Amino acid sequence: GAVVSQHPSRVICKSGTSVKIECRSLDFQATTMFWYRQFPKQSLMLMATSNEGSKATYEQGVEKDKFLINHASLTLSTLTVTSAHPEDSSFYICSAQDRGRTGELFFGEGSRLTVL
Amino acid sequence: GDSVTQMEGPVTLSEEAFLTINCTYTATGYPSLFWYVQYPGEGLQLLLKATKADDKGSNKGFEATYRKETTSFHLEKGSVQVSDSAVYFCALIDSGYSTLTFGKGTMLLVSP
Repeated sequence: GAVVSQHPSRVICKSGTSVKIECRSLDFQATTMFWYRQFPKQSLMLMATSNEGSKATYEQGVEKDKFLINHASLTLSTLTVTSAHPEDSSFYICSAQDRGRTGELFFGEGSRLTVL
Repeated sequence: GDSVTQMEGPVTLSEEAFLTINCTYTATGYPSLFWYVQYPGEGLQLLLKATKADDKGSNKGFEATYRKETTSFHLEKGSVQVSDSAVYFCALIDSGYSTLTFGKGTMLLVSP
């Protein structure tokens, strides 16, 4: 089946630094990718929708200058958490929509960010 | 480990038909259970949830009851509409963990 890979799966960083998380569709082209955030023991929260070659669409309340999303190719989207603070510690998940299979959605494994 | 199994799709129905999408799970603890929906061209949205046995989650005419004895959380709706066409994901959070485990999703197609 289709695979979406996220990297890194875990990252620990110091407060004030920036962290980049990659989301790759390994065997299909994804014109649309989605970024989610999950707080401990809570549901997923959609952060933004990323379309290849255009600016991401952010959900209300999500700071676009803090969470930079780039979708430069049909197989790669990146989320950069800029000037990270401890409250940004969370589990970030991406999903990719396979344009060749009526929009079927596949999830990455997730990336756990811990900001010290 | 934890797992969620959903019936394979697509499920094809006529408008006003009754819908059931089966979901069963395995978990080591006492999970919370969720149904998410993805409409065409959009991201995932939480549809409903249940946090303990015998709880019933409901939203937009959809219902699901947490059945511990059968480890199931089947999604139902009495009368589907064309606008319900989407992909539905069953998911759980185990009590001992903090991350979601998703099923593979079931596509629902409703025709007029």
